Amino acid sequence: SQQGEEDPQALSIQEGENATMNCSYKTSINNLQWYRQNSGRGLVHLILIRSNEREKHSGRLRVTLDTSKKSSSLLITASRAADTASYFCATVLNAGNNRKLIWGLGTSLAVNP
Amino acid sequence: DAGITQSPRHKVTETGTPVTLRCHQTENHRYMYWYRQDPGHGLRLIHYSYGVKDTDKGEVSDGYSVSRSKTEDFLLTLESATSSQTSVYFCAISPTGDVQPQHFGDGTRLSIL
Repeated sequence: SQQGEEDPQALSIQEGENATMNCSYKTSINNLQWYRQNSGRGLVHLILIRSNEREKHSGRLRVTLDTSKKSSSLLITASRAADTASYFCATVLNAGNNRKLIWGLGTSLAVNP
Repeated sequence: DAGITQSPRHKVTETGTPVTLRCHQTENHRYMYWYRQDPGHGLRLIHYSYGVKDTDKGEVSDGYSVSRSKTEDFLLTLESATSSQTSVYFCAISPTGDVQPQHFGDGTRLSIL
């Protein structure tokens, strides 16, 4: 099963509204990363948050991490039509030397003009 | 965008034929990855490389082989393509391994009839 599970699977909002996506995971992590994927394109890294961090900001993006609940959230404020994309969380586990990214299934965000 | 080029971008072929996908990077990154992306499965790691001639299997490596003879090129080969290998294939690179973000190419859409 997937380590990271995003919620909701799909989200539709109006321009200007905030969008919140959640990611839950199962085991101890080194860090958690959020990526965006526009239709027909590759994934683009947005934010990396380490296990000892609780919140990070990047422009209109805010990511929180709650290691006690094994969950993270991505907030996009004042959304724009250009934010329409799929958003994925990926976790890096603590165990082992060849630490791999474990991907969630993504949240599909539609921002309506 | 990080300098990653995948070729071809689209390919249609028949069951049983060999197929090679190419990933070329200009970033001199040590780590390179091949993923496949399918609805309902998200991103799944096929193989990855941590240096020239150094490769390892991912979670869905059966039916695939890889080669890396130069830092900049990572080839994915389907020796005898099957319909179950119809997918979108993404190459990604990372400078220092999985605790750092990965940068993705724009993918190859492969259809096997």
